[in-house]
Amino acid sequence: AQSVTQLGSHVSVSEGALVLLRCNYSSSVPPYLFWYVQYPNQGLQLLLKYTSAATLVKGINGFEAEFKKSETSFHLTKPSAHMSDAAEYFCAVSDKRGFGNEKLTFGTGTRLTIIP
Amino acid sequence: NAGVTQTPKFQVLKTGQSMTLQCAQDMNHNSMYWYRQDPGMGLRLIYYSASEGTTDKGEVPNGYNVSRLNKREFSLRLESAAPSQTSVYFCASRRWGQPYEQYFGPGTRLTVT
Repeated sequence: AQSVTQLGSHVSVSEGALVLLRCNYSSSVPPYLFWYVQYPNQGLQLLLKYTSAATLVKGINGFEAEFKKSETSFHLTKPSAHMSDAAEYFCAVSDKRGFGNEKLTFGTGTRLTIIP
Repeated sequence: NAGVTQTPKFQVLKTGQSMTLQCAQDMNHNSMYWYRQDPGMGLRLIYYSASEGTTDKGEVPNGYNVSRLNKREFSLRLESAAPSQTSVYFCASRRWGQPYEQYFGPGTRLTVT
């Protein structure tokens, strides 16, 4: 069984500062990992995904994440926060069990607030 | 492309009433999913359908039933609503093969009084 832990349910950063959102995973098989973003009153949209190719993954809106197997981590970063980054962010791991049977397990989310 | 659509957007039910949440996707995706989102708990999988004609339970299936009507549509039914089912419900879909991401609908906000 897989699981995801997101450290910090709320993170506040100043506009222009570094954004770091933490995600640690547990998986019995080599994982596929995802970061999703949810803006207020909307569904989730994909930011980026790790699929066992490059360990540093670049996504939309200037976000990137690095897969570190030794630390079982997949932290999300952005060098300079923008007001439009205020949202809730979810890390997820895929069980990769079979063709079409893949399921995602989500973390509990981190709400990012940007301070002007 | 509308992507994943859900109806209704909002619903208020009394305890014991029933209702069906509708979900449709126009991306020719094979797999479809129903999640519920509660504060501090992330998204939890209720049911999923790997392909047309199949459905399986997820993490929190009690009190729900689903129907994969065809490849496009996947509905979630609450037979006898309870206050514990107050939540935001999301439908998602994905293509088979490779680690394709799931695409999410806008959600249905359900309140059970």
